[in-house]
Amino acid sequence: LAKTTQPPSMEAYEGQEVNVSCSHTNIATSEYIYWYRQVPHQGPQFIIQGYKDYVVNEVASLFISADRKLSTLSLPWVSLRDAAVYYCIVTALSGSFNKLTFGAGTRLAVCP
Amino acid sequence: GGIITQTPKFLIGQEGQKLTLKCQQNFNHDTMYWYRQDSGKGLRLIYYSITENDLQKGDLSEGYDASREKKSSFSLTVTSAQKNEMAVFLCASSYNNQAPLFGEGTRLSVL
Repeated sequence: LAKTTQPPSMEAYEGQEVNVSCSHTNIATSEYIYWYRQVPHQGPQFIIQGYKDYVVNEVASLFISADRKLSTLSLPWVSLRDAAVYYCIVTALSGSFNKLTFGAGTRLAVCP
Repeated sequence: GGIITQTPKFLIGQEGQKLTLKCQQNFNHDTMYWYRQDSGKGLRLIYYSITENDLQKGDLSEGYDASREKKSSFSLTVTSAQKNEMAVFLCASSYNNQAPLFGEGTRLSVL
C-alpha cells in the first residue's frame, strides 16, 4: 500500500487560495487518491477523489502529477469554516470494501 | 439525502465495563466500518462488514466485538473498557467503489 506524506500544518488568510500537497511516491496503478477533511467534533468529510490529471467539483480541485506521485488539493477562497485537518489517502478500489488508512493529515489554520 | 447516525454521542464508562456503540445508515450501503481515533491522531480500522451478518477484523479488533444484524445497522462492543481510555469511535458506510461516508462519532471516556 502506498504511504502518503503531507505537511503537518499550514496557515492562510480568508479569501486566499490554499494548496495542500501530498506525496505518494509508491502509488500502485490500481490505487486512487482520496481527500477528506475533519473539523473538531465531527467525522471526516469526503472532499474529492481522482486517479490522474485534474478533477474539480463544487468544493475543491485536485491536481495529480503525470507520474501520479504527487497530488495537490486546491481550495479557492478559503473561509474560517475551511479550518480543518485535511487527509490525503491512497487506496485501491476493491469492490465492496474500501479500506482507508488515515495518517496525521495537514492541519489548516485560517486567519481572519 | 442520507445520514449516518451514531448513538450515543457521548459515553462514559467504568473500568472493566462492557460498552456498546450503535450506528445506523439510511443510504442502503452494503459496507459499514468502525474506526477508532485517538486525540490528534489518524483513524484506525477496528471492524468492517460487507453485508448483513458479515464481520471482518480490521487492524485494531482486539478488545472489540461487532454485530451486523441488519443491513442498516452496525454495532460495536468494547468488551472491557480500559481505565482512563479516551477516544472517538467513528462509523462509516460505503457502496461499491464509492468513498466511505462518516458519522459524527461517539466520544468515549472511561473513569
